[in-house]
Amino acid sequence: QVQLVESGGGVVQPGRSLRLSCAASGFIFSTYAMHWVRQAPGKGLEWMSLISYDGSNEYYADSVKGRFTISRDNSKNTLHLQMNSLRAEDTAVYYCARDESIYVVRGVHLWGQGTMVTVSS
Amino acid sequence: QTVVTQEPSFSVSPGGTVTLTCGLRSGSVSTTYYPTWYQQTPGQAPRTLIYSTNTRSSGVPDRFSGSILGNKAALTITGAQADDESDYYCVLYMGGGIWVFGGGTKLTVL
Repeated sequence: QVQLVESGGGVVQPGRSLRLSCAASGFIFSTYAMHWVRQAPGKGLEWMSLISYDGSNEYYADSVKGRFTISRDNSKNTLHLQMNSLRAEDTAVYYCARDESIYVVRGVHLWGQGTMVTVSS
Repeated sequence: QTVVTQEPSFSVSPGGTVTLTCGLRSGSVSTTYYPTWYQQTPGQAPRTLIYSTNTRSSGVPDRFSGSILGNKAALTITGAQADDESDYYCVLYMGGGIWVFGGGTKLTVL
């Protein structure tokens, strides 16, 4: 079945970097755009980033633009999020998610279980 | 400032009908915003209920329906059940590859 498994979360000091990964299975990874969404403790969902099915286009929320980089390796069915210059307000559960439609973007549809990132000294 | 607006909370009686909305601080929501609705219970990942305005995701009961009502996207739950008590989020496509979630609605069934 379709599965998205995030990894790489943990506790990191402010200003440091962290790289999240998401292993995809059960579908043809290279045909779907992928998203990252986060949720701070007790808060709502925040869309953060999108990468097209072939990796040729990337989009970011203003809150992370210039600090975070989304990437994908279609040969390994893996999505990444490189997070630099981390701040306390980046503390959240980070969800990897697959888009609804192949090749075009129609929105976040299938979700991983999330990985927790805590930014604290 | 919240660009995408949702009611912070709502209450419905068991068996009742409730309509949650998803609007814009400025402007009207249309199908070109590809409104999508999610349900989330505490400690769990979100679950997609409705996508592209009114298409139910696989396995979602037909008591959940999506539409455009006036200038907002809407999620209607008909015949609410106790386990519908959850947080509900919408997301809208703002163009340029950017998506924005609403702040969520906490639904109480009592």
